[in-house]
Formats: sequence, C-alpha cells, structure tokens
Amino acid sequence: DTEVTQTPKHLVMGMTNKKSLKCEQHMGHRAMYWYKQKAKKPPELMFVYSYEKLSINESVPSRFSPECPNSSLLNLHLHALQPEDSALYLCASSLTSDYYNEQFFGPGTRLTVL
Amino acid sequence: AQSVTQLDSHVSVSEGTPVLLRCNYSSSYSPSLFWYVQHPNKGLQLLLKYTSAATLVKGINGFEAEFKKSETSFHLTKPSAHMSDAAEYLCVVSDIGSGGYNKLIFGAGTRLAVHP
Repeated sequence: DTEVTQTPKHLVMGMTNKKSLKCEQHMGHRAMYWYKQKAKKPPELMFVYSYEKLSINESVPSRFSPECPNSSLLNLHLHALQPEDSALYLCASSLTSDYYNEQFFGPGTRLTVL
Repeated sequence: AQSVTQLDSHVSVSEGTPVLLRCNYSSSYSPSLFWYVQHPNKGLQLLLKYTSAATLVKGINGFEAEFKKSETSFHLTKPSAHMSDAAEYLCVVSDIGSGGYNKLIFGAGTRLAVHP
C-alpha cells in the first residue's frame, strides 16, 4: 500500500460546528504532516508529527487541534472555524522527518466554512 | 536558508511537443529537490526526486529532471506532452526546519496547459 488516504473528500460546516478530518497511511511512515492550501497558492505547513509526537506547530490557531492516535492515523479536529479557514487540507507522510525523505500526499479534504 | 524560484507561472504547449518547466534553487548545503504535480482539487503527486545520486533523474509518466549545481537549476522536461499532463507543477527543496524536521520549501508553481 503506497498511498495516503483522507476522509471526507468534502466538508461543509458552520462556524459553531465541531468536525474532524482523518488521514491514514499504511506505509510504515513515522512522520505525518498537515498542510493548508488556499486557491492558487502552494501548501502551508500546519503541524508535524514524528513518532506520534507533535514536533512542530507552525503557530496555528487553537481552533485547529491535531491528534495522532497511532503511527498510521492522523486526525485534525476543527472547532469554531472562520470563513477564511476554507481551504484544501492536505495530509502527508514520510518515512522519517529527515529532510532527504520525500513526502507522500493524500488527495485532500476540501473544507468550506459558512 | 533554502529557496526555490519557478521561472514561469504559465507554460502552454501543443500535444506531442516537448515540455520544459524551469526551476532554480538556493541552498547552503547539498539539497534534496523534488517535483510534484497537482491536478485541480487533488493532492500532490511526487513526479521525481534528487538526493545527490545521479544528476539526471527519471520520474513517472515520462518526466525527467537534471540537477545542475553550477547553474543551481533543476528543470523538468518531457519529450512529448500529453493532454493529461495539464496541471500545476511544483518545484520543491527540502530544508531542515528549526525543530530538525523535514520542511518543504515550495516554488510558486507553473501552470502547464496542453493544447490539441
């Protein structure tokens, strides 16, 4: 299995809702990442997990809460989002977090906040 | 610090003609370089990577890239464009983030259009 899967593909939520995005990989990778991508822009890194521990939080607002229940699974919990949080959310994984390892990306979740 | 410049924001070619997408990088040490492709509303797919082995790197779907240290370039080429190649192409250099992690530095992207 050489892919990263993400669910749901699309999500529409109101500003008072709580929802979660899910990411899964079965490649034995020990580093996982969340990115946010706005239209016509490259992805922006949000969080890095290495060996199931949060190692990097790129100053992301607390309304985004990551969780890594095990080495294959990564969640992003969403609460009280703003319309400007509407974007494509991408998950990625790599063998380790060493800089020479390529990252494999999932198909993304298209989030719309009303 | 690492940086990446993609020299063309848009490239338009006819089907069956060669493709050249240009990328220059800046790196203070031996870089790891990648090309990714992104189709509309899709994730990023890795086309190829350079990590200090052979300077000519072959990737998927007939793409290849040549690492030229003297020119700090990593241009992507394909001999014959196909309609399905129309997409956004991202040149990426890997940096070491402040926490020692794998930080990707993305170029601004090149939109490739392929005409019949």
